[in-house]
Amino acid sequence: ELKVEQNPLFLSMQEGKNYTIYCNYSTTSDRLYWYRQDPGKSLESLFVLLSNGAVKQEGRLMASLDTKARLSTLHITAAVHDLSATYFCAVEVYGGSQGNLIFGKGTKLSVKP
Amino acid sequence: DGGITQSPKYLFRKEGQNVTLSCEQNLNHDAMYWYRQDPGQGLRLIYYSQIVNDFQKGDIAEGYSVSREKKESFPLTVTSAQKNPTAFYLCASSHNGAGVDPFAFFGQGTRLTVV
Repeated sequence: ELKVEQNPLFLSMQEGKNYTIYCNYSTTSDRLYWYRQDPGKSLESLFVLLSNGAVKQEGRLMASLDTKARLSTLHITAAVHDLSATYFCAVEVYGGSQGNLIFGKGTKLSVKP
Repeated sequence: DGGITQSPKYLFRKEGQNVTLSCEQNLNHDAMYWYRQDPGQGLRLIYYSQIVNDFQKGDIAEGYSVSREKKESFPLTVTSAQKNPTAFYLCASSHNGAGVDPFAFFGQGTRLTVV
């Protein structure tokens, strides 16, 4: 059974600081996604990572993928309050018995002035 | 514009009543999914469908039913057998197969409350 583990689950950081959220998964996958969710809202797609060594950047967020280590990271640079949200990683597997998106539990990020 | 639409946004269910949540997409995606999210929690898979006329149970399918008669539509029925249905329900869709538009998109969600 594919498992996806995120850590930390809660992250409180000051504006201007850097931090990394980790996403480990237990078996080979075809795609890895990062999403953002604001309170009471749906999930917003941030990044999709398709291959080993893939790196995507958007503003203060950068995501990377190491398929050999089965690890993806979401790095936050010089955090600002607007980044406060819950961030989910999800792994998609084709052709397996699950055949779906498997989500981590999410990392609730709070950026304080 | 392509997208995925869930309706209604808010839904109230009486005890013992069945209700149906709508999910429609015009992205030509093969796969569609239903997730449940409880307050402060992650997403749990209810059902998914990879092709028309076929669907599979997820981790928490008991008390729910789905159909996939059309590629664009994947409605979820919350039956009276679901004893604790109050939650936020999210529908998603994606392409099957590598090499094509890879994003899995989510609808805006339906918040179901038992009254």
